[in-house]
Amino acid sequence: GAVVSQHPSWVICKSGTSVKIECRSLDFQATTMFWYRQFPKQSLMLMATSNEGSKATYEQGVEKDKFLINHASLTLSTLTVTSAHPEDSSFYICSAIQGTNEKLFFGSGTQLSVL
Amino acid sequence: LAKTTQPISMDSYEGQEVNITCSHNNIATNDYITWYQQFPSQGPRFIIQGYKTKVTNEVASLFIPADRKSSTLSLPRVSLSDTAVYYCLVGDGQAGTALIFGKGTTLSVSS
Repeated sequence: GAVVSQHPSWVICKSGTSVKIECRSLDFQATTMFWYRQFPKQSLMLMATSNEGSKATYEQGVEKDKFLINHASLTLSTLTVTSAHPEDSSFYICSAIQGTNEKLFFGSGTQLSVL
Repeated sequence: LAKTTQPISMDSYEGQEVNITCSHNNIATNDYITWYQQFPSQGPRFIIQGYKTKVTNEVASLFIPADRKSSTLSLPRVSLSDTAVYYCLVGDGQAGTALIFGKGTTLSVSS
């Protein structure tokens, strides 16, 4: 199957700092990527849809100024958590669609811990 | 977006066949049914996808009845390493449309 690489896998930061998470499709072009957030023992929650060359579409309740998404190329999308606070601590997962039949491939996730 | 309903949890023993059923009563004509497996602190992993009838690959089978209002993921001869959360998702086949996760089924396999 297709490979989606996510980096870093784990990051600890101080409150008030910004953290950037990268998501790359290694062997296919991804016009669209998705960012999810997952709290312990809960399901994945969609945060935003990232389209190459255009602004991301955010789900209701997700602050676009806090979670900056950039999709500058067909193989790279980035999520920047700005001015992170402890409540932003979570597992962030990116995914990309290969083809048009809704087969999503996921990155390995990034565990963010804000102190 | 079609909503899915799965059992919250299931228990099994090594070597048994496990069937996890998902209800998706409002599935649309163009929707595919896709199942994912997730281990703790990892991203979900694609297991199998189907549109109708039966699909089989090297790890699982997917059974979809004619009305497509439900689907069953079948895992043959499970092992301890199959302990994970399994998610059933439906999507309308249009690239760019996000898949929404339900609560998933936590499968626990014991020896």
